[in-house]
Amino acid sequence: KAGVTQTPRYLIKTRGQQVTLSCSPISGHRSVSWYQQTPGQGLQFLFEYFSETQRNKGNFPGRFSGRQFSNSRSEMNVSTLELGDSALYLCASSFDPGLRTDTQYFGPGTRLTVL
Amino acid sequence: AQKITQTQPGMFVQEKEAVTLDCTYDTSDPSYGLFWYKQPSSGEMIFLIYQGSYDQQNATEGRYSLNFQKARKSANLVISASQLGDSAMYFCAMREGNDKLIFGTGTRLQVFP
Repeated sequence: KAGVTQTPRYLIKTRGQQVTLSCSPISGHRSVSWYQQTPGQGLQFLFEYFSETQRNKGNFPGRFSGRQFSNSRSEMNVSTLELGDSALYLCASSFDPGLRTDTQYFGPGTRLTVL
Repeated sequence: AQKITQTQPGMFVQEKEAVTLDCTYDTSDPSYGLFWYKQPSSGEMIFLIYQGSYDQQNATEGRYSLNFQKARKSANLVISASQLGDSAMYFCAMREGNDKLIFGTGTRLQVFP
């Protein structure tokens, strides 16, 4: 079974630009979560989608947005990029976050550098 | 207050020895799940092991076992017979009910020959 895939793997942007990251979950998984990882802040939760609906949202500004499609694939968008947005963006998929034993499986991440 | 605490920023262990990575958590929800992930230098987070709050026995997965002490709110990861490939960051995480997953700050494990 194929794992979680994320595209692109690496991205270089300049301040003020916008970026869209994509995540394809494991086949059969209906939930996708996004995380930002930086050396200073560690792993921070961005948002979680399940069956095209946002279930949970972290404490990030409105410049960060996401969506999930009917095939469970998800995209996240960051507008008006800032230097501090440079990070590893990790996507994770799971079957059903309503299940107590639900486990998230992560993709390889997208490393975003903002110049 | 920190919900997940990993007090060891770094640990060293010799190959073939066992090592314990500490994790304490804080929750008032009786239903929660505890997870451990491994993150090699490549960046991908690899799921290792899961322990549910209602599970009576400690979870085990191959060389990984979880020392779950509910009253102390600790969920330490034990890696037996360490291998060089175990060198990585290790993260403890918790999910209360069906809320979001919260991660600790991680422990960097280095295995030496």
